[in-house]
Amino acid sequence: EAGVTQFPSHSVIEKGQTVTLRCDPISGHDNLYWYRRVMGKEIKFLLHFVKESKQDESGMPNNRFLAERTGGTYSTLKVQPAELEDSGVYFCASSQREWSYEQYFGPGTRLTVT
Amino acid sequence: DAKTTQPPSMDCAEGRAANLPCNHSTISGNEYVYWYRQIHSQGPQYIIHGLKNNETNEMASLIITEDRKSSTLILPHATLRDTAVYYCIVSGTGANSKLTFGKGITLSVRP
Repeated sequence: EAGVTQFPSHSVIEKGQTVTLRCDPISGHDNLYWYRRVMGKEIKFLLHFVKESKQDESGMPNNRFLAERTGGTYSTLKVQPAELEDSGVYFCASSQREWSYEQYFGPGTRLTVT
Repeated sequence: DAKTTQPPSMDCAEGRAANLPCNHSTISGNEYVYWYRQIHSQGPQYIIHGLKNNETNEMASLIITEDRKSSTLILPHATLRDTAVYYCIVSGTGANSKLTFGKGITLSVRP
């Protein structure tokens, strides 16, 4: 069974540009989470999908970030326009059911904004 | 903010047990204690979780005090591959399942 996959693994963009990160959760997993670690800080929660609905988006830093999960399968996280402080590693995680305990994390996307 | 406190680092000898402590004095009755680890720059990896009883799986054991204000993760026979940052996290389930990571504890396993 394939794990959580993320694309791209690394992205370098200029300030002001747009970047879209993709996450493919484990097949059949209803819950999908986005987290990120910016330089020197702890891993922070961004948002939580249950199927295609946003369950909790309390961690989204501002309206430059837009997350979608069409059809309850893969998810995208768009940053528009990107700022220098958005640089970091973006992790996606998934879990099977509403009351699942274990979150499976992907390898992350390293975003560098120059 | 994280609801847990962990020492910043510890080390242990390969083959010996590693006991990683965690304090979570403000844990709520319906919150679980989770342990994850991050090896180098990989994505975090789930290890174990518990509510109030001690738990054991193929990776580790989790000992939770009776008052639930602290816990210990035990890696019974540490190997070099267990060198990682270990995170103790207090969280719920369902709508409250987001993980709040702190700084974690860096475990170094020496040969």
